Amino acid sequence: GDSVTQMEGPVTLSEEAFLTINCTYTATGYPSLFWYVQYPGEGLQLLLKATKADDKGSNKGFEATYRKETTSFHLEKGSVQVSDSAVYFCALIKYNNNDMRFGAGTRLTVKP
Amino acid sequence: ETGVTQSPTHLIKTRGQQVTLRCSSQSGHNTVSWYQQALGQGPQFIFQYYREEENGRGNFPPRFSGLQFPNYSSELNVNALELDDSALYLCASSVTLAGGQETQYFGPGTRLLVL
Repeated sequence: GDSVTQMEGPVTLSEEAFLTINCTYTATGYPSLFWYVQYPGEGLQLLLKATKADDKGSNKGFEATYRKETTSFHLEKGSVQVSDSAVYFCALIKYNNNDMRFGAGTRLTVKP
Repeated sequence: ETGVTQSPTHLIKTRGQQVTLRCSSQSGHNTVSWYQQALGQGPQFIFQYYREEENGRGNFPPRFSGLQFPNYSSELNVNALELDDSALYLCASSVTLAGGQETQYFGPGTRLLVL
């Protein structure tokens, strides 16, 4: 079945460091891909999305490019801040489906 | 803020009891999905409601049931609670159009503890 694999955390970075969180997927057809962020004690917030190959999603300095050839959707940010500390989830859904599949999440801690 | 609200925020129950969780979808959204998120894991799809009918179900037993109302709000009911039901329950609303649905927007969740 369809699935998402994320790099294991936790990831600890210093402020202003470069961030990459790897995400690869397995799916038939052409899924839409998402990154969600979850702050402590809260629900999931949509960070960015991409709906077709080579699309780049971006928001708040975060970027991810839908790479069909490598079935990947890696999350990047050039300079992280302490306020970016959270758990990040990669997810996919197919347009004619209703079951969004999530990765296990990657916890990011940014230290001042 | 997504405009998706859930109640209650926290709940404590004992094994064998029943619980009802509520979700109000974002304005203009006609579809509600429910997810269970165990501690340290990603959300798992429970089921989805569209036009007041179940529109897909994940690998959860029948004691997990739901409703959707004409105003698109929804309830998740869990009977005969077990300790493993302790989790964060997330509701997500979206728009279903001909051929598929758009992005899902999540509420803040209800944290359920079963003792």
